[in-house]
Amino acid sequence: EADIYQTPRYLVIGTGKKITLECSQTMGHDKMYWYQQDPGMELHLIHYSYGVNSTEKGDLSSESTVSRIRTEHFPLTLESARPSHTSQYLCASSAPKANTEAFFGQGTRLTVV
Amino acid sequence: GQQLNQSPQSMFIQEGEDVSMNCTSSSIFNTWLWYKQDPGEGPVLLIALYKAGELTSNGRLTAQFGITRKDSFLNISASIPSDVGIYFCAGRGGGSNYKLTFGKGTLLTVNP
Repeated sequence: EADIYQTPRYLVIGTGKKITLECSQTMGHDKMYWYQQDPGMELHLIHYSYGVNSTEKGDLSSESTVSRIRTEHFPLTLESARPSHTSQYLCASSAPKANTEAFFGQGTRLTVV
Repeated sequence: GQQLNQSPQSMFIQEGEDVSMNCTSSSIFNTWLWYKQDPGEGPVLLIALYKAGELTSNGRLTAQFGITRKDSFLNISASIPSDVGIYFCAGRGGGSNYKLTFGKGTLLTVNP
């Protein structure tokens, strides 16, 4: 059973607000990822981290930022939310061993009104 | 960038029927993965394939890594209502790049 948690599960927020989506894993995984998924669509990688103090942009450009101060924690922040940020955000982590695949959290469904 | 074409986009089948879906890529992958996503949840890994030609089963699910390394298929035998969901393929290239490219998904509906 994967131990990766995302909070909140659902968030409705007004335009211009600053938000932080939380992601924590208790498996000691060094690699963590954030994906963005619109309804019925594929997952797009927006950020990833290979360890503490390591963060990289993913394949899909995003106005969000991430930080990795602790191994288990990989929060995503939007400084000023806009309706175009409405989407599902999925966090994942994987172990350093080769051929070990990512476990996903349950996701945060964000709606910006 | 790399792109995956997953088909079909959706399937409506009767309980007990077998299902097949596939993914093709314009470039070579070293790993093929199949995930299932239930509504409102994150994807769950079903099968991982690491070698061209590999055929792997997980219960009623069987997946194969194509010989050309540019395709993979997933079969579900004797479908049941709980098989309903979106199935995603994902591929990963070589080297130390751990990033995955996902297909657009196949929405499976099973009528009891």
